[in-house]
Amino acid sequence: KAGVTQTPRYLIKTRGQQVTLSCSPISGHRSVSWYQQTPGQGLQFLFEYFSETQRNKGNFPGRFSGRQFSNSRSEMNVSTLELGDSALYLCASASGRSNTGELFFGEGSRLTVL
Amino acid sequence: AQSVTQLGSHVSVSEGALVLLRCNYSSSVPPYLFWYVQYPNQGLQLLLKYTSAATLVKGINGFEAEFKKSETSFHLTKPSAHMSDAAEYFCAVSDLNFGNEKLTFGTGTRLTIIP
Repeated sequence: KAGVTQTPRYLIKTRGQQVTLSCSPISGHRSVSWYQQTPGQGLQFLFEYFSETQRNKGNFPGRFSGRQFSNSRSEMNVSTLELGDSALYLCASASGRSNTGELFFGEGSRLTVL
Repeated sequence: AQSVTQLGSHVSVSEGALVLLRCNYSSSVPPYLFWYVQYPNQGLQLLLKYTSAATLVKGINGFEAEFKKSETSFHLTKPSAHMSDAAEYFCAVSDLNFGNEKLTFGTGTRLTIIP
């Protein structure tokens, strides 16, 4: 079956702009999580959505937001971009019906903020 | 809060040699532990997981890990390194709250294979 699909794969923005990233989970998966990966901070949890509801949130400012649609597809948005937001943003899906921690990751969206 | 610590941000081994990547965890409850691998310009792929069944866990690509409660460790090993094993490896622990798929990752170990 198809894996987790993230779009776009690469994008360049300037400070102050906003960006929206998209994630399509594996078919049948209802949980979608987002992680930020940077060389300095490693992998940081942003938030998790299950059945259109945010179930958990990491320690990121309110500029970072997300949502999930009825088909389980998810988007995350970053407003008022800062240089430090440059990172690889990874989406992961899971069935959501049991807490196994087994996540299936997409290839990521690499954001560069100039 | 649960956490994992990976000792050694870079590890180099010769092709054919033993691979040992270290991970120690901190948890007040029995943890679920994982090893993920990330190849360049790709996402993370699950290598193996410990979920309180067998303490010796076998994963893909010949990797295995042993859960040692007395040492709070979950080290990853492979008897014989292959060039294709060059990648970054992440140890992770799962938040055990029901219905929560959050993982807390270690800082990663970059494995280099010397020909």
